Amino acid sequence: GQQVMQIPQYQHVQEGEDFTTYCNSSTTLSNIQWYKQRPGGHPVFLIQLVKSGEVKKQKRLTFQFGEAKKNSSLHITATQTTDVGTYFCAGPGGTSYGKLTFGQGTILTVHP
Amino acid sequence: EAGVTQFPSHSVIEKGQTVTLRCDPISGHDNLYWYRRVMGKEIKFLLHFVKESKQDESGMPNNRFLAERTGGTYSTLKVQPAELEDSGVYFCASSRPLGPTQYFGPGTRLTVL
Repeated sequence: GQQVMQIPQYQHVQEGEDFTTYCNSSTTLSNIQWYKQRPGGHPVFLIQLVKSGEVKKQKRLTFQFGEAKKNSSLHITATQTTDVGTYFCAGPGGTSYGKLTFGQGTILTVHP
Repeated sequence: EAGVTQFPSHSVIEKGQTVTLRCDPISGHDNLYWYRRVMGKEIKFLLHFVKESKQDESGMPNNRFLAERTGGTYSTLKVQPAELEDSGVYFCASSRPLGPTQYFGPGTRLTVL
């Protein structure tokens, strides 16, 4: 079945440093979504990428969708302590239009 | 707009007991999903309702799990009998008919002893 791999599993940074998490799918994706889960919280939708090579920005966050639509990345510039949490990528899980297949997530810790 | 709510927030039960989790989606959201996250692992899909119908239940682990959405509003997920490996956080999410965004509830943390 479809697999979505995400690396790294953990990332510790000093406040102000940049952070990147990478997502790779075993199959071509029609779209990819990113979610953030704060410690003790629930996943919150960040963005959806649909087009090959698409790049979207949200303030300090930059999201990319690969040309082959099998990989994606999330880059945070100048991290802040409010960025802590787990970042998940998720792709459509098979033929069901609603089902999401999540990556394992990257746990980001930001040291002040 | 009220968010997705789940009840209870925590449940601790013994192996062999029954537990029922409830999810109230955002009003007007036809799509309702159940997911589970076992500690340290990825969030795994369990099933998807469109209104009261099961669209996809391919992620349900086994027949000890039963999900219902009578009337197409709130949903329940019953685990009977519970096993140790059922422990984890059960998330419910809902979305508009054609919208990609899934709004997650706060989750129910289930611990089976």
